[in-house]
Amino acid sequence: AQKITQTQPGMFVQEKEAVTLDCTYDTSDPSYGLFWYKQPSSGEMIFLIYQGSYDQQNATEGRYSLNFQKARKSANLVISASQLGDSAMYFCAMREYSSGAGSYQLTFGKGTKLSVIP
Amino acid sequence: DAGVIQSPRHEVTEMGQEVTLRCKPISGHDYLFWYRQTMMRGLELLIYFNNNVPIDDSGMPEDRFSAKMPNASFSTLKIQPSEPRDSAVYFCASGRIGTSQKHIQYFGAGTRLSVL
Repeated sequence: AQKITQTQPGMFVQEKEAVTLDCTYDTSDPSYGLFWYKQPSSGEMIFLIYQGSYDQQNATEGRYSLNFQKARKSANLVISASQLGDSAMYFCAMREYSSGAGSYQLTFGKGTKLSVIP
Repeated sequence: DAGVIQSPRHEVTEMGQEVTLRCKPISGHDYLFWYRQTMMRGLELLIYFNNNVPIDDSGMPEDRFSAKMPNASFSTLKIQPSEPRDSAVYFCASGRIGTSQKHIQYFGAGTRLSVL
C-alpha cells in the first residue's frame, strides 16, 4: 500500500483565491512527521511546512497552512491568496520516527501540479 | 547562508561511462541524503549518511551505484558503468538533528542526468 497518496495529479486556481491540495497517509507508527515541499519548474525542492503527529495545532507558515486531521490520516495543504509564483509541483512527504535506521527517510507522494491562472 | 550545492546541474553521458555527482551540504548539518527522481517512480531515497558514515543504503539500486562522504562538507554519488535507465534527476539533501524533532531536509537544485 502507498504510504503517501496525493489524488490530484493537477489543479487549477484563480489568482488571489485559496486552494487545497490533498494528502492522505498510511502509518501504524504513533510518532511521525508530515512535510510539504514545492518544486517549481526550475527543479529545486523547497521546504514549505511541517506537522508533527503530536502537534495540537495545525501548522501555519505565512500563506501556507496545514489542515491536519489525524483520525482521517489526512494532511492537506492550504495556500491562501494564490500568486502566479505558486505554480509548481507540490509534494507531501512523511517521516516515521520509530522505524530504526529508516527513521530519517522521507517517503514522498507522487505530487500535485498546481497552475495559478491570472 | 549558502544552501546545498550540487554539481554539475546537467550531465549528458554515453552508456558505459562513469558518472560522478557531487554535493556540498549546508555547514553544520550532520545528515546527508541522496535521492533520485523519475516520472515512473517519483522521489526515492538512495542512501543517507550521519556524521559522514553511511547509515542506510537499502535504496541503492545495484552495485553500479556507490556513494561516499569523505568529510562533513563533501559527498559523491558515482555510477559505473552508467546505463540509459539511470537517466533521472538526482538530489542531495542535508539536515540537522537539533532540539526540534522536525529534522527538515533541505534540498539542492539537483543534477539532471541523461545517459544516451
